Amino acid sequence: GAVVSQHPSWVICKSGTSVKIECRSLDFQATTMFWYRQFPKQSLMLMATSNEGSKATYEQGVEKDKFLINHASLTLSTLTVTSAHPEDSSFYICSASGDRGRGEKLFFGSGTQLSVL
Amino acid sequence: GESVGLHLPTLSVQEGDNSIINCAYSNSASDYFIWYKQESGKGPQFIIDIRSNMDKRQGQRVTVLLNKTVKHLSLQIAATQPGDSAVYFCAEKKSGGYQKVTFGTGTKLQVIP
Repeated sequence: GAVVSQHPSWVICKSGTSVKIECRSLDFQATTMFWYRQFPKQSLMLMATSNEGSKATYEQGVEKDKFLINHASLTLSTLTVTSAHPEDSSFYICSASGDRGRGEKLFFGSGTQLSVL
Repeated sequence: GESVGLHLPTLSVQEGDNSIINCAYSNSASDYFIWYKQESGKGPQFIIDIRSNMDKRQGQRVTVLLNKTVKHLSLQIAATQPGDSAVYFCAEKKSGGYQKVTFGTGTKLQVIP
């Protein structure tokens, strides 16, 4: 099956710093990537949708200036949490939708646990 | 807004028994449905999917049923094993790789040895 690699798996940072999370599709071209956030014992909430080479589309209530998304290539998307605060602590998960041969399936990364002190 | 929801937040089953996890969806425009399994600290893992032109689809030990009339999905796991313990999410979307996936609230499956 398709593989989506997400890095880092976990990160601890001080309040006010920025954190970058990478999401890579290893064996297919990801035309669309999605970024989700998940709080403990809750479902995945979509933050934004990014298409290669264009600006991301953010869900209502998600600050685009705080959560910077870059999808510069068909195999890499990054999420940067700028000026992180404790309330940004969460599990961030990326997913990728690929070329026609992959159909509708969405492949997920292993997630990044962000803890802001 | 429209959402996908689950009836049972927690389900406990005896090892070897069959499990049934239910899900209700409200977006009538959705035509593709997926079940995911998520273990603690990991990303969701694809289990099985079904399109709206089907009522039933079977995989290895899993079956998904779709009732479009009442907008209901179910996931059946046969001979449940301890390794099946996880949180299960149903999800729905419109066709198209660029279309976003909306997740339900999740059901935690606990398998009793």
